[in-house]
Amino acid sequence: SYVLTQAPSVSVAPGKTALITCGGNNIGSKNVHWYQQKPGQAPVLVVHDDGDRPSGIPERFSGSNSGNTATLTISRVEAGDEADFYCHVWDNSGGLVVFGGGTKLTVL
Amino acid sequence: QVHLQLWGAGLLKPSETLSLTCGVSGVSLRGYYWSWIRQSAGKGLEWIAEINHSGSTNYNPSLKSRVTISLDRSTNQFSLKLRSVTAADTAVYYCARKPDSSYAFFDFWGQGSLVTVSS
Repeated sequence: SYVLTQAPSVSVAPGKTALITCGGNNIGSKNVHWYQQKPGQAPVLVVHDDGDRPSGIPERFSGSNSGNTATLTISRVEAGDEADFYCHVWDNSGGLVVFGGGTKLTVL
Repeated sequence: QVHLQLWGAGLLKPSETLSLTCGVSGVSLRGYYWSWIRQSAGKGLEWIAEINHSGSTNYNPSLKSRVTISLDRSTNQFSLKLRSVTAADTAVYYCARKPDSSYAFFDFWGQGSLVTVSS
């Protein structure tokens, strides 16, 4: 089955840029979606289809996808961005939704 | 305004059947895929199953033998049944919506419901 690999944690200082990666075999051929989940809350979609933002999501959140890595970029990081982030793709060969293991973003 | 509200038993004994329902308001079931997703304490997200408005289903192979997903157009609800639960099924369960494609993203989520399996 298709596997998505995320680093368990990323730390960044306020005002800097956070890069959260999602690795998968030829993931560049898939549509990648990203969710932010704060403690005790349901996940919230922050980027869909590699790099599109839902309405209400700040422009500081952007995404890219190529080769074997998709990346969620958070610019000018704020304390309120601290959360777990999950990537998601559809595994067409297996006919199922696949989530990455999640990355905990810590704002120093 | 789209709203997903889920309900069901929160405490089960091993071998019982988990039963959850997600009520959808603000939009018809038509035109979307409706999913169940769970999250064990301190762990990541695990997708369970999805169903679309015409009743077409997809299941996580790791759970398929124990899971049934269904929908009721008359009440605008969809449901999950997970048979023969064990402690490993203890998790927060979410319902969520995707626009009409399996490739799409989850744009609306229910609030989550903790289900505990304990003897």
